[in-house]
This record gives sequence, structure tokens and C-alpha cells, in this order.
Amino acid sequence: DAGVIQSPRHEVTEMGQEVTLRCKPISGHNSLFWYRQTMMRGLELLIYFNNNVPIDDSGMPEDRFSAKMPNASFSTLKIQPSEPRDSAVYFCASSDIDGANTGELFFGEGSRLTVL
Amino acid sequence: AQSVAQPEDQVNVAEGNPLTVKCTYSVSGNPYLFWYVQYPNRGLQFLLKYITGDNLVKGSYGFEAEFNKSQTSFHLKKPSALVSDSALYFCAVRGNSGYSTLTFGKGTMLLVSP
Repeated sequence: DAGVIQSPRHEVTEMGQEVTLRCKPISGHNSLFWYRQTMMRGLELLIYFNNNVPIDDSGMPEDRFSAKMPNASFSTLKIQPSEPRDSAVYFCASSDIDGANTGELFFGEGSRLTVL
Repeated sequence: AQSVAQPEDQVNVAEGNPLTVKCTYSVSGNPYLFWYVQYPNRGLQFLLKYITGDNLVKGSYGFEAEFNKSQTSFHLKKPSALVSDSALYFCAVRGNSGYSTLTFGKGTMLLVSP
């Protein structure tokens, strides 16, 4: 089992540039989550998809952030334009419906974003 | 709104000694409670969960946790710590209705010394 695959693992960019983070969930999982981790704020849920449909995007910080899930095997999180305060580790997690109902999530290794 | 408190930023324990990492929660209705572990530069890994039933839950790597409804706590325990247990531990809670999602605590760093 390949697990949740995220790319890139590391991204360094300059303020104002567009950043796209990618996620491939575990095959057969129908729920996908994007989290952001920082020292100050810990783990924050940004958005949650179920069957490719966004269910809860209340954690998306502002309009600069957008997320899509065009099919069951791929999701993107885009930041445009990026700002230094967006620097964080972004995690993607997936779950099957039973897992989502009980909460067992499978996390990717994360994408570490640094915005200069 | 649901929330999780992990009162200790760091817990230090000597190898071979028992360890406890504390967690208290707040949620409407019956809670679903979880512990996850994060090793450096890695994603979170599921350790154990409480959904219903026995208040003592056993999980991976010899860890266990005790659900205490009256104290709204779900402390993580292990009888004998290993140096390799050193990591960041997260407690998480969700309600048992609808699309309620997981809320994580801020994490507790566990350092086990040889």
C-alpha cells in the first residue's frame, strides 16, 4: 500500500508567487483532508472533501487559498499569491467512510512550504 | 465547539519508566477520541481510538489510553518507555454526529532518555 502521497516535499518560493501542493489519497478512500501545521497554531483543518465534494472549507484562511478535488485520486491546494505567513507544513490525509465516521485518518508525509 | 487541551508542551521520562501524556476534551454528545504520533519530518500516524465500550483502549507499540467521562480526559500511557517512543503526540476529538471532523490538540513532545 503506497499510502497518501504528497508533492512537493519541500517548496521555497518568494512572496507573491503561486504555490500548488498536490495529494494522491489512498486508493478506495472517499474522504480527503488538508491540514496546516505551524508552531504557533498547531494542526488546523483547512478543508474536507467527501466523494470529491467539499464538505467543510471553513478553515481556509482567505481567498488566496483554494482547493480542488477533480477526481477520487487527486487533490490540489493552491495559494495565490503566497505570503510569508503561509510558511508551514501542509498535510493531506485520507480516510474511507468508516474511518471518517470514526476518525482514523492516514496522513501523507507533508509539504514544507517556505515563503520568503 | 469541540476542543482538546494537552496541558504539557513536553514530557520527560527515563527509559523503562512508565509514561503518561495528558489530554482533556470538550465536545457535545458522546466523544470519539484519538491519539496520533508524529516522528520528525513525518506525517501523523494513528495510535489508538476510543469509540465506545471498555474505557481502557489498547493501541500500537504498547500504548494504551483510559477514557474518563467524568473528568473528560483521555490520557495516553505506556508501562515502560523506550527511547524510540520519543516523538510528538497529538490527542484529537470529534463528536459522533454527521460530518463532525477531528479537532487536534497542540501536541506534547515526549522525550525518553536512555
